[in-house]
Amino acid sequence: QVQLQESGPGLVKPSETLSLTCSVSGDSITSNSYSWGWIRQPPGKGLEWIGCIIYTGSTYSGGTYYNPSLKSRVTMSVDTSKNQFSLRLDSVTAADTAVYFCARGSGQLVPAAIGHTWFDPWGQGNLVTVSS
Amino acid sequence: EIVLTQSPGTLSLSPGERATLSCRASQSVTSNYLAWYQQKPGQAPRLLIFGASSRATGIPDRFSGSGSGTDFTLTISRLEPEDFAVYYCQQYAGSPYTFGQGTKLEIK
Repeated sequence: QVQLQESGPGLVKPSETLSLTCSVSGDSITSNSYSWGWIRQPPGKGLEWIGCIIYTGSTYSGGTYYNPSLKSRVTMSVDTSKNQFSLRLDSVTAADTAVYFCARGSGQLVPAAIGHTWFDPWGQGNLVTVSS
Repeated sequence: EIVLTQSPGTLSLSPGERATLSCRASQSVTSNYLAWYQQKPGQAPRLLIFGASSRATGIPDRFSGSGSGTDFTLTISRLEPEDFAVYYCQQYAGSPYTFGQGTKLEIK
């Protein structure tokens, strides 16, 4: 049974960088069948897709795909030795305060493109507050 | 960007009743690339439906999804106490993936 677990600081100062890691158990981050995504939820609000990453060595050529609204500040990466993937969000402001979820993307992967994936399962979430 | 609008914002019903939740897209969602999630307070969303009408593993058959194009529906045939939660739709037809704003299903 695949499980995902986010980890990282709960408090980040404005203008600094938010860094989170998602540890995956029960499945391989190098799988040809899945993508790996980040979604966030500001307190009391709805869900926002941040982006997805597909392992570079996969059949689908890999790649990172970001929400255009965040693209200039987001970087995602994979650490195959630890079976983890990570999120980096630069120059944070109070508007970036949210619960950050990692999730596995299932569905239709497409070579060199984002594909068509829903998210299942999700990690429990990591609340990150941006404040001085 | 495909904008998803869910209605109603809040739905007040009693256990045993039927719930009908709507998700309308600003443009056609190709190949019915639409999912539904349930979220309870303090928890991560849980996948209910993908491909507009396919139930995820372990989801009771009282949950059903339907629709195509721009109009999609999640139906809960007979509400159980554990079904009261917030429900979100998500389109994965194109980037950026987007979610609806949610429908809160509350006990009447």
